[in-house]
Amino acid sequence: EAEVAQSPRYKITEKSQAVAFWCDPISGHATLYWYRQILGQGPELLVQFQDESVVDDSQLPKDRFSAERLKGVDSTLKIQPAELGDSAMYLCASSLVNDRVYGYTFGSGTRLTVV
Amino acid sequence: KQEVTQIPAALSVPEGENLVLNCSFTDSAIYNLQWFRQDPGKGLTSLLLIQSSQREQTSGRLNASLDKSSGRSTLYIAASQPGDSATYLCAVRRRRDDKIIFGKGTRLHILP
Repeated sequence: EAEVAQSPRYKITEKSQAVAFWCDPISGHATLYWYRQILGQGPELLVQFQDESVVDDSQLPKDRFSAERLKGVDSTLKIQPAELGDSAMYLCASSLVNDRVYGYTFGSGTRLTVV
Repeated sequence: KQEVTQIPAALSVPEGENLVLNCSFTDSAIYNLQWFRQDPGKGLTSLLLIQSSQREQTSGRLNASLDKSSGRSTLYIAASQPGDSATYLCAVRRRRDDKIIFGKGTRLHILP
């Protein structure tokens, strides 16, 4: 069964350092999403890509967060500088273009701890 | 503003019992509703997806219903097992901006 790959699984970083997460969506899925999930909460959308273009980044804290999907396949989410409040699970998901039938497929996530 | 509420926040039941998890949403203009399972420290696994035109979906011991007019969905788990212990999240895909909005989840613990 096809999967969304994410790495690393866990990341511990010091406050003010830079950190990056990687996501490889299911082959053929043009739409890619990054979500942040704070402990005890539901996931919240940070950024949505359609191929290499950003469709929605209205909830992305752009002063410190950046996301790219240069070739329209895999994607990188970066935080610089990291803050204590950034500690959370970062989830990547992908779907077919404009697909409202099959829904999303999520990766295993990256658990970030900022100390 | 679309809000998704899941009740209860946590639930413990003895093994073998049937149980119901609830999800309510404020804006009925949705494309679909999806139920996910999340194990501690892990990603989300899709369980069932119900289109707005559908009333229910079934997979094994799971049955999800959708009443769009009242803004409610239920996830029914039959003959619960300890392996069902996890957090269950529901999410709606709203029509006006095609965004998916999640509830906070229900933490389920099945007692052996």
